[in-house]
Amino acid sequence: EIVLTQSPGTLSLSPGERATLSCRASQTVYSSYLAWYQQKPGQAPRLLMYDASNKATGIPDRFSGSGSGTDFTLTISRLEPEDFAVYYCQQYGSTPLTFGGGTKVEIK
Amino acid sequence: QVQLQESGPGLVRPSETLSLTCTVSGESMTSYYWNWIRQPPGKGPEWIGYIYYSGSTNYSPSLKSRVTISVDTSKKQFSLKLSSVTAADTAVYYCARRRSMVDGYYMDVWGNGTTVTVSS
Repeated sequence: EIVLTQSPGTLSLSPGERATLSCRASQTVYSSYLAWYQQKPGQAPRLLMYDASNKATGIPDRFSGSGSGTDFTLTISRLEPEDFAVYYCQQYGSTPLTFGGGTKVEIK
Repeated sequence: QVQLQESGPGLVRPSETLSLTCTVSGESMTSYYWNWIRQPPGKGPEWIGYIYYSGSTNYSPSLKSRVTISVDTSKKQFSLKLSSVTAADTAVYYCARRRSMVDGYYMDVWGNGTTVTVSS
């Protein structure tokens, strides 16, 4: 089973600042099959990125993803008020599918 | 626009079987993998398993002995049964669609989730 470790656990930033979220895998993620989700309280996770760097439909350009192998990054170039939420990475290259523990982006 | 909707009891007694159904609307079930994921209070999501539209299944090893996922494409529904539940199975349960390998392989559509509490 691939274990995904996200850091930091919490990121305290102000609107307009840049957010950099990390996801590290315990072994190589096959074919960079890594997704990022955003979750707000009481809502289902929302797909942001797939295949590590491809934006899902309707996702703003301020979101970008990068990485391969075992190290992946989600970057939000300039935080908007609606971006404050919890972000999860998830690998789908091998079963069992696994999720990271999440990074909470909170308003400083 | 495909939509998924979970349904089932919100309260299950310890040692009994949790049963949920996900209804698919707006698109065919063909060529997709249909997943169940759960999220305990204050924790990250946990994948439970999937069923391909043709009926083949894959379950998380940690739950495999207690899980059954089935599909009825004529009703556009798939279902989850989790036996011998305990308080640790209390969670929000989501159903989600996963694309085929030739079409991306990622989970792109989720239901809104349904809260299941295990308590006597």
